[in-house]
Amino acid sequence: DQQVKQNSPSLSVQEGRISILNCDYTNSMFDYFLWYKKYPAEGPTFLISISSIKDKNEDGRFTVFLNKSAKHLSLHIVPSQPGDSAVYFCAAPLFTGNQFYFGTGTSLTVIP
Amino acid sequence: DAGVIQSPRHEVTEMGQEVTLRCKPISGHNSLFWYRQTMMRGLELLIYFNNNVPIDDSGMPEDRFSAKMPNASFSTLKIQPSEPRDSAVYFCASSSGLTGLGGYTFGSGTRLTVV
Repeated sequence: DQQVKQNSPSLSVQEGRISILNCDYTNSMFDYFLWYKKYPAEGPTFLISISSIKDKNEDGRFTVFLNKSAKHLSLHIVPSQPGDSAVYFCAAPLFTGNQFYFGTGTSLTVIP
Repeated sequence: DAGVIQSPRHEVTEMGQEVTLRCKPISGHNSLFWYRQTMMRGLELLIYFNNNVPIDDSGMPEDRFSAKMPNASFSTLKIQPSEPRDSAVYFCASSSGLTGLGGYTFGSGTRLTVV
């Protein structure tokens, strides 16, 4: 059973516009969430995280929003750049250091 | 720091053959994880070790899969016998006990093709 879901397998956005990647989860016990970015032939790399006690975390062009009542989080990339083209995974652990539950990923293509 | 090192990068093998994937975690990290990436299921956790001890192997799909961590700097994932449906990218990741909000560090993966 997927505890973390990404329902959009792909997304295309024009360069300079906003990219919004969505993630839903089922377990209200998750206490923080992470986004990973993966380029072809490379392993996923950590991008940004958010604790469940916050509803927003911003790092440069990347902002993650958390809506606990809806069990939903989203990653906003503004402005989008061609180098952002990658697969993005959302993930959540039950406890720090424990195994992470990953979504199936969303492939973002930023069109120049 | 060289990061998490996986070998081989690519492996093509015939059905029925034994396959061994290797991983060297980051020095000082005490947790190691094996994941498999497929289109349908994304990143699935197969097994994870803490201080070289297997903690949860519930994700290992079948008895054909086995994993070992004989010491803090080396782990293997073995598939015997391999089947075409095992074709996927296998990732190893490691973390320190205090993961904080940074999650894991992943290796570059091993792309396995079973023909």
